[in-house]
Amino acid sequence: ELKVEQNPLFLSMQEGKNYTIYCNYSTTSDRLYWYRQDPGKSLESLFVLLSNGAVKQEGRLMASLDTKARLSTLHITAAVHDLSATYFCASLPKDNDMRFGAGTRLTVKP
Amino acid sequence: DAGITQSPRHKVTETGTPVTLRCHQTENHRYMYWYRQDPGHGLRLIHYSYGVKDTDKGEVSDGYSVSRSKTEDFLLTLESATSSQTSVYFCASGWGGKNIQYFGAGTRLSVL
Repeated sequence: ELKVEQNPLFLSMQEGKNYTIYCNYSTTSDRLYWYRQDPGKSLESLFVLLSNGAVKQEGRLMASLDTKARLSTLHITAAVHDLSATYFCASLPKDNDMRFGAGTRLTVKP
Repeated sequence: DAGITQSPRHKVTETGTPVTLRCHQTENHRYMYWYRQDPGHGLRLIHYSYGVKDTDKGEVSDGYSVSRSKTEDFLLTLESATSSQTSVYFCASGWGGKNIQYFGAGTRLSVL
């Protein structure tokens, strides 16, 4: 069965701290996506990781992909309140068949 | 939201009634998708379309049908709504394959 597992599912952190969200997927996939969703809003694309070893950074967020371990990470550096949202990873085992993790609800507290 | 509009945004209906949700995109994307979002499951693909009148099933297609008569419009129909179809429904569009999908704002459907 195809599975995309994120952990933790809930994350409460202090401003200024660092943390990592993990995304494991069960089938071969050469592409991994990260999306952000604010409460009641749509999903916004953050990163597309295209190959093994890929690393992408945008502001305080950095995503990486290890296709051999079937693992992607989303690292948060010096968190700020504006990063509070739900973050989804998604694997693409075949074209058009995007499989999402359950999401990590991040709350950044002052 | 990349020119993707969903209607209605909220709907409450009764078990056994038909429901149609509409997705409209102005990006001229070839591919369009319908997902449902439930707590603990993330988003799950219901159906997608790869062109006018061309559709295919997704992971959770039972109880749903779709139609695409124009490039810009993709309809999701629940022929006889059940309480298990209470969910938030998202439409997305894109260039297909491995390309990024762009999402609409969602439709919250409650089946009582």
